[in-house]
Amino acid sequence: EAQVTQNPRYLITVTGKKLTVTCSQNMNHEYMSWYRQDPGLGLRQIYYSMNVEVTDKGDVPEGYKVSRKEKRNFPLILESPSPNQTSLYFCASSPLPGGIGELFFGEGSRLTVL
Amino acid sequence: GESVGLHLPTLSVQEGDNSIINCAYSNSASDYFIWYKQESGKGPQFIIDIRSNMDKRQGQRVTVLLNKTVKHLSLQIAATQPGDSAVYFCAENSGNTPLVFGKGTRLSVIA
Repeated sequence: EAQVTQNPRYLITVTGKKLTVTCSQNMNHEYMSWYRQDPGLGLRQIYYSMNVEVTDKGDVPEGYKVSRKEKRNFPLILESPSPNQTSLYFCASSPLPGGIGELFFGEGSRLTVL
Repeated sequence: GESVGLHLPTLSVQEGDNSIINCAYSNSASDYFIWYKQESGKGPQFIIDIRSNMDKRQGQRVTVLLNKTVKHLSLQIAATQPGDSAVYFCAENSGNTPLVFGKGTRLSVIA
């Protein structure tokens, strides 16, 4: 089944404790992206990747890192999480260059930073 | 479910009626538009898209209308069903720029 898989789905952590949210897609998509979703603010892009070893900042990259060593994986790294990073995170991928067109989303990762 | 829909505009529709969800965009250079549906606890799912060289596109029970003059996009759902209850997002982009998402509208279907 074609899908985007995120882990963990739910996580409660404390300020400053490094964490990684993994994202994997099995559709051989070149484009992948991370979003955060907050009440009243909609989906905001954190980072995106056009292809392996190519990553770019989105609208809200502060406090986050990403890597794209393989086409299928695009982990989101919070080196020192803070409470304002409490949010619902979505990974997405697209078969088209630049993410134009349909994005396939994961099921989301709910992160709470205490 | 996930509380992603706080402070959203809400549209309540009787089951069987048609729904119209509206979206205004600001970038006159936008040439591609998508509607997504997000059910509680899930990620957004693609519904329908339209390019700027069209003003109407139909899918199964859904129609997207694009008015470039006033920068307005709408999603029409025919014979709305309880399973249509969700948050609906429009998104746009131009050229190779990433998609920009609207804040969403919650559709509640009254049985």
